[in-house]
Amino acid sequence: DAKTTQPNSMESNEEEPVHLPCNHSTISGTDYIHWYRQLPSQGPEYVIHGLTSNVNNRMASLAIAEDRKSSTLILHRATLRDAAVYYCILSIQGAQKLVFGQGTRLTINP
Amino acid sequence: SAVISQKPSRDICQRGTSLTIQCQVDSQVTMMFWYRQQPGQSLTLIATANQGSEATYESGFVIDKFPISRPNLTFSTLTVSNMSPEDSSIYLCSVARDPTNEKLFFGSGTQLSVL
Repeated sequence: DAKTTQPNSMESNEEEPVHLPCNHSTISGTDYIHWYRQLPSQGPEYVIHGLTSNVNNRMASLAIAEDRKSSTLILHRATLRDAAVYYCILSIQGAQKLVFGQGTRLTINP
Repeated sequence: SAVISQKPSRDICQRGTSLTIQCQVDSQVTMMFWYRQQPGQSLTLIATANQGSEATYESGFVIDKFPISRPNLTFSTLTVSNMSPEDSSIYLCSVARDPTNEKLFFGSGTQLSVL
């Protein structure tokens, strides 16, 4: 499985945008980029995923570099409830066997 | 979405004993997975639970230690056998509705402590 690299931790302020980076220099043409997050004492929850084009949903936006070697998860207006560990994961389409890395622990300051 | 119920939510067990964790989904799903999350760590995939056949285990996990059953499309169990303190972890059930669905849904996990 291709690997991803994320910062161990990030900090932001409430109501400000947050940009969470992810490097995946060994990504293959069939790898989708997935983002999950894990709130304290909960199982992970799906955030967003994409292949080549930028993606938007009600939770976040995913910006994918043109060469696909990196991506950025964007939370447009962070709230305290967005404090979680965010995981960037590569997966072949339809292969739900996800391999989790260490993720980024996001802290939101009031 | 899928509603996943895991039981028990937590347990404290003595070394050498076994614990069976249940995962019940509110609708039929094709894919079910079991993950382990050791204290302060990320998630590690234990195995894929296959309906009607033996589970597919990841490297480092064996059937004798983590037997898995999946009798139908909504239910699976994971047994942690002959437990030691190193098995203290959160065990999570995960499901995907169908092979083409990109989303995984997770249960809230079973917090296991082995004394």
